[in-house]
Amino acid sequence: RKEVEQDPGPFNVPEGATVAFNCTYSNSASQSFFWYRQDCRKEPKLLMSVYSSGNEDGRFTAQLNRASQYISLLIRDSKLSDSATYLCVVNAKAAGNKLTFGGGTRVLVKP
Amino acid sequence: GAVVSQHPSRVICKSGTSVKIECRSLDFQATTMFWYRQFPKQSLMLMATSNEGSKATYEQGVEKDKFLINHASLTLSTLTVTSAHPEDSSFYICSATTTSGDVNTQYFGPGTRLTVL
Repeated sequence: RKEVEQDPGPFNVPEGATVAFNCTYSNSASQSFFWYRQDCRKEPKLLMSVYSSGNEDGRFTAQLNRASQYISLLIRDSKLSDSATYLCVVNAKAAGNKLTFGGGTRVLVKP
Repeated sequence: GAVVSQHPSRVICKSGTSVKIECRSLDFQATTMFWYRQFPKQSLMLMATSNEGSKATYEQGVEKDKFLINHASLTLSTLTVTSAHPEDSSFYICSATTTSGDVNTQYFGPGTRLTVL
C-alpha cells in the first residue's frame, strides 16, 4: 500500500464550478500536511499547509481528518489557471524533514 | 519567498557519460537539500537527503555509487549521475529547507530534465 494515495483523475471541471478531492495517508504518525501544485513539466509549488482545524486561502479550502487519515482540498469558483496536478504531501516527525508525495490528482478546468 | 535554482535545466547526453546537476539556494542558507526524481506521470520520489558537510543519506533502492551527491556549502549541492543510461532519463528536482523558520517547508528548484540517448 502506498504511503500517500490520491485519485489520479483527471477531474474535468467547468469554469466557475467547485471541485473537491481527497488524499489518504497510511502513517498515523504523520504530523505535517501540505497541498502542492505542479504544472506540466514544472517543479511543485506549495499551495497551502493543512492544519488540524482546517484552513482556507482564498478559493482553496483544506481539511484534515486524523481519525480517518485523510486530507481534502476544495477549490471554489474554478479558474482556467487552476488546471494542474495537485500533490498531497505528508511529513512524519520521525522522518525528519522528509516529505512523502502522493501521486497527484489532475484537475482540468474547461471553459 | 526563498529561491532555489538548478543548472542545467535540460541536458541530453549519450549513454555512458556522467552528468552533473547543481542546486543552489540563492537568498538563504539551506541546512538540508533533497534530491528527487520524477518519471512521466508519476510522483516525486525522494532519492537522497543531503546535509552540508556530511555524507548524503540515500533512500532504499537508490545506488549511492551511481548518484553521487556533494553538499559543499550551505548554498550548493550537486548530483552527479555517473555512467548514465536511458533508464536514468527523468526529471530531477532538488529542494532545500532553511536554517530558520519552518523547517518543514521545502523550496523546490525548477528541475533538470535529463535525457540519455
